Amino acid sequence: AQSVTQLGSHVSVSEGALVLLRCNYSSSVPPYLFWYVQYPNQGLQLLLKYTSAATLVKGINGFEAEFKKSETSFHLTKPSAHMSDAAEYFCAVKRGNNFNKFYFGSGTKLNVKP
Amino acid sequence: DVKVTQSSRYLVKRTGEKVFLECVQDMDHENMFWYRQDPGLGLRLIYFSYDVKMKEKGDIPEGYSVSREKKERFSLILESASTNQTSMYLCASSLKRNQETQYFGPGTRLLVL
Repeated sequence: AQSVTQLGSHVSVSEGALVLLRCNYSSSVPPYLFWYVQYPNQGLQLLLKYTSAATLVKGINGFEAEFKKSETSFHLTKPSAHMSDAAEYFCAVKRGNNFNKFYFGSGTKLNVKP
Repeated sequence: DVKVTQSSRYLVKRTGEKVFLECVQDMDHENMFWYRQDPGLGLRLIYFSYDVKMKEKGDIPEGYSVSREKKERFSLILESASTNQTSMYLCASSLKRNQETQYFGPGTRLLVL
């Protein structure tokens, strides 16, 4: 069975600092992995996705994630946090080949301090 | 531009009431989904639909039903609302089968008293 684990329900960084949000997946097959962001009072928006092409994936707003098969990880990073990055971030893995059902992680709330 | 709308942002209902949550997408998408979002649990799939009048159960369908009479509209129905259905409900759509990107609505925060 496939699933994702996000370590840390809350992460706090200072403005300008590195952002690192962790996601580990369990999958018996090469996964399709995603990061979504949810700003306050809004729905989820796709940040980036890995679909077995390049292992380093660049997304919107300066975020990127690296697929590491040996570590079963897909951590999200951004070199320099901005106040506008404060949001909740969800890692997701596509399960199976039918339709596009996902397992979502429990989410990580990012707080950016001035 | 992609747009998924949900009929209400906030809703307050009483236990036992029948509740309808509506979702509309204007992108001619085949797939539509209903999730509930609870703190610490992420998003859990309630139902999805891959075509008009077609529906499949997700992970937590108990207490819910859905209706898809038109391609653009997907309704979630709580037959008899209970307090444990207090949650944020998110609708999403995607273009075709195996098209990965889902587009989400803003959510409906439902409180059942």
